[in-house]
Amino acid sequence: EPEVTQTPSHQVTQMGQEVILRCVPISNHLYFYWYRQILGQKVEFLVSFYNNEISEKSEIFDDQFSVERPDGSNFTLKIRSTKLEDSAMYFCASSEVGSRLAGGPKEQYFGPGTRLTVT
Amino acid sequence: LAKTTQPISMDSYEGQEVNITCSHNNIATNDYITWYQQFPSQGPRFIIQGYKTKVTNEVASLFIPADRKSSTLSLPRVSLSDTAVYYCLVGARSGGGADGLTFGKGTHLIIQP
Repeated sequence: EPEVTQTPSHQVTQMGQEVILRCVPISNHLYFYWYRQILGQKVEFLVSFYNNEISEKSEIFDDQFSVERPDGSNFTLKIRSTKLEDSAMYFCASSEVGSRLAGGPKEQYFGPGTRLTVT
Repeated sequence: LAKTTQPISMDSYEGQEVNITCSHNNIATNDYITWYQQFPSQGPRFIIQGYKTKVTNEVASLFIPADRKSSTLSLPRVSLSDTAVYYCLVGARSGGGADGLTFGKGTHLIIQP
């Protein structure tokens, strides 16, 4: 079964440094997403991406964050100047254009996550 | 967005049927009910989605009464590996299609031998 992959699995960085989290969505999917989950808390939506532009973003996704699809397979999340409170698990997800779920939100396939630790 | 309420935690035993109920009193006409499962240190995984009455797949069943103000996820004959957090989400597909999901705190289901 196709799956979303993410690298690295764990990233440790110092406060103020830039990090890039990488994702390879499922190959025939065209909608991409980033979520984060702070330890012990709920999964929070950050941003969705379609047709090489941001489709929707939450208030968490401020100017420190950016997303990019640099080539035909990768989807990246960049945090420009990390803060301690950016420490979290970051999940990438993707969904297909035509969904087998008629009418409802498209089924999203999540990657295994990247654990970001900011020290 | 319709607010959802579900139990914080539930316990059951291997081989039992487990029913997790979610309340969504303010569900809108075009909203669907979707359930995701999350194991520790993994991303959420889609389980099932429905609009009304009953939906069944190879993993679970989803029961939705006529007023749609609640829904029940039913897991038949659970095993230890079903220990996870289960999330009930209510929403509609937007015109753009790239819908960010809104997760609540979910129900932490613990299955014991």
